[in-house]
Amino acid sequence: ETGVTQTPRHLVMGMTNKKSLKCEQHLGHNAMYWYKQSAKKPLELMFVYNFKEQTENNSVPSRFSPECPNSSHLFLHLHTLQPEDSALYLCASSQDLVDETQYFGPGTRLLVL
Amino acid sequence: AQSVSQHNHHVILSEAASLELGCNYSYGGTVNLFWYVQYPGQHLQLLLKYFSGDPLVKGIKGFEAEFIKSKFSFNLRKPSVQWSDTAEYFCAVSAGGSYIPTFGRGTSLIVHP
Repeated sequence: ETGVTQTPRHLVMGMTNKKSLKCEQHLGHNAMYWYKQSAKKPLELMFVYNFKEQTENNSVPSRFSPECPNSSHLFLHLHTLQPEDSALYLCASSQDLVDETQYFGPGTRLLVL
Repeated sequence: AQSVSQHNHHVILSEAASLELGCNYSYGGTVNLFWYVQYPGQHLQLLLKYFSGDPLVKGIKGFEAEFIKSKFSFNLRKPSVQWSDTAEYFCAVSAGGSYIPTFGRGTSLIVHP
């Protein structure tokens, strides 16, 4: 247990559905991240938030929409996804952007049909 | 932009064998270096990190890594592996003004009892 939780752990959705992934960290960290982990590919950074402000959007398609209402919570809103978006979505947090040790959640396994 | 190469994608060892996993990066300036591990069904967690100082870094569970600046390398080692070391190992590097780590593709290690 790293202090970073993610829900749901598994999600199956159709291409016309709208769903949201939730991440919560109990570590008092200021920075939070979304990553995509696909088979046989490096971990891909998607978004970075620092003190609730988005500091990085790594050319992510607009069908992925992040939201960070406070430093402890991070959401990833999904709509009109494609089958190639099926992957493990990982949330991570760090104390701040200078201290780069990241603490990862267990991930949400997403399958888009 | 920096890149991270992990040349060994799959490694299979017997218990008590020695382990060395390669990690090379492409940035010539100051770097911060990380090894993360993902055990089957578990979240990514930090194994060890190098920010500065002694280039030989000791981490958890008997792992160590050596930063060789002239070779742009940060190889992970363990003198005697155990079955419980079966996992996916990821090298990550952050460099220069980019505070976000770039991850390698990962190395899958299987240790036979």
